Amino acid sequence: QSVLTQPPSVSGAPGQRVTISCTGSSSNIGAGYEVHWYQQLPGTAPKLLIYSNNNRPSGVPDRFSGSKSGTSASLAITGLRAEDEADYYCQSYDSTLSGSRVFGGGTKLTVL
Amino acid sequence: EVQLVQSGAEVKKPGESLKISCKGSGFTFDNYWIGWVRQMPGKGLEWMANIYVGDSDTRYSPSFRGQVTISADRSIATAYLQWSSLKASDTAIYYCVRDRTSGLDYWGQGTLVTVSS
Repeated sequence: QSVLTQPPSVSGAPGQRVTISCTGSSSNIGAGYEVHWYQQLPGTAPKLLIYSNNNRPSGVPDRFSGSKSGTSASLAITGLRAEDEADYYCQSYDSTLSGSRVFGGGTKLTVL
Repeated sequence: EVQLVQSGAEVKKPGESLKISCKGSGFTFDNYWIGWVRQMPGKGLEWMANIYVGDSDTRYSPSFRGQVTISADRSIATAYLQWSSLKASDTAIYYCVRDRTSGLDYWGQGTLVTVSS
């Protein structure tokens, strides 16, 4: 059972907008710790997609955006493309786990 | 260019020991935390531990404390993850990461560890 909760799967047609939620608690997201998002394309290492709640590393398209409110965060993808089909993970920090980083269980995005 | 290059795939038997490595380049290795992330077959990501290379301060996830040991050699910009007695349940891909408060911003290519009798 992951500390952060994500839906196992989401889907959308090309061009559509999808969102992926990440729900935590008062010891992680709700405590003000930042949320980061990763994209893992099939058979590859994960890649940092959004850092510190809503910032994109250089090279990440502005179709990807992040937000955070209370004990939850969200990743939004607009103008969905076939190459966005991947697993997406949220990550934060939890004060009850000895300084541990914690991940969500991951969400499989299917582009229909 | 920042790179983390990991050692190759390993096949081991239960009870054997193992040490895998992660060599950094393109940045000042001493000034960063380097971490390890596990991905079991078909499963999600699990943060295991990290080490501040400059002074070897370490932190472990409660789930992995006592199960693995993280270390680093500043002189060759290399971090390690080791097991003293492998179990079949250690079969996974292990990624090293540059571990920052602003995210795990660089990832190694992964090392597949297979433990089977």
